[in-house]
Amino acid sequence: NAGVTQTPKFRILKIGQSMTLQCAQDMNHNYMYWYRQDPGMGLKLIYYSVGAGITDKGEVPNGYNVSRSTTEDFPLRLELAAPSQTSVYFCASSYGVAGGDTGELFFGEGSRLTVL
Amino acid sequence: DQQVKQNSPSLSVQEGRISILNCDYTNSMFDYFLWYKKYPAEGPTFLISISSIKDKNEDGRFTVFLNKSAKHLSLHIVPSQPGDSAVYFCAASRGGADGLTFGKGTHLIIQP
Repeated sequence: NAGVTQTPKFRILKIGQSMTLQCAQDMNHNYMYWYRQDPGMGLKLIYYSVGAGITDKGEVPNGYNVSRSTTEDFPLRLELAAPSQTSVYFCASSYGVAGGDTGELFFGEGSRLTVL
Repeated sequence: DQQVKQNSPSLSVQEGRISILNCDYTNSMFDYFLWYKKYPAEGPTFLISISSIKDKNEDGRFTVFLNKSAKHLSLHIVPSQPGDSAVYFCAASRGGADGLTFGKGTHLIIQP
């Protein structure tokens, strides 16, 4: 059982470049999330999705876009990369609303992005 | 403004003793609290949770206590083991679709 799979694990970008972080889950979870973690900080929510075709902004959405065309996939797009986007990005999924008996979040291993 | 606060960036505990990790929150709408554990180069993994209608939840060596009036929760690990060395995140949920709000984490170091 793969769980939540993120690619790539590492990436270096130049300022102004664009890229997509891929996230796939095989647990048939409805809810999917993108978080970023900066050094010494907690995880901050970028975008989330409650099902295919439905996405919404989290706490720090500027500079990012997402799509959810299938239940399994939730890619995160960075347009015009900036040094402030240097971070570790985590994708997560849950069957139900976060918290609660069905709301445990399962995380991928993370994607470390550096923008120079 | 931080809604979930972990004021101790690190904590060192001797193997076999009790580890106590603390967490404070400000948003009274939070109704579910979770602890996640994270090893380097891995994603966080769920450890234990507690609903706001309870004041204690146990799972093996791990116990979470919730004091709603003080908006404070704590995670107790007894006895502490070397494999417990990790970063522990406190997280809270309002029961909405927008996931969890995380604290900054506490790095627990278990000394042999």
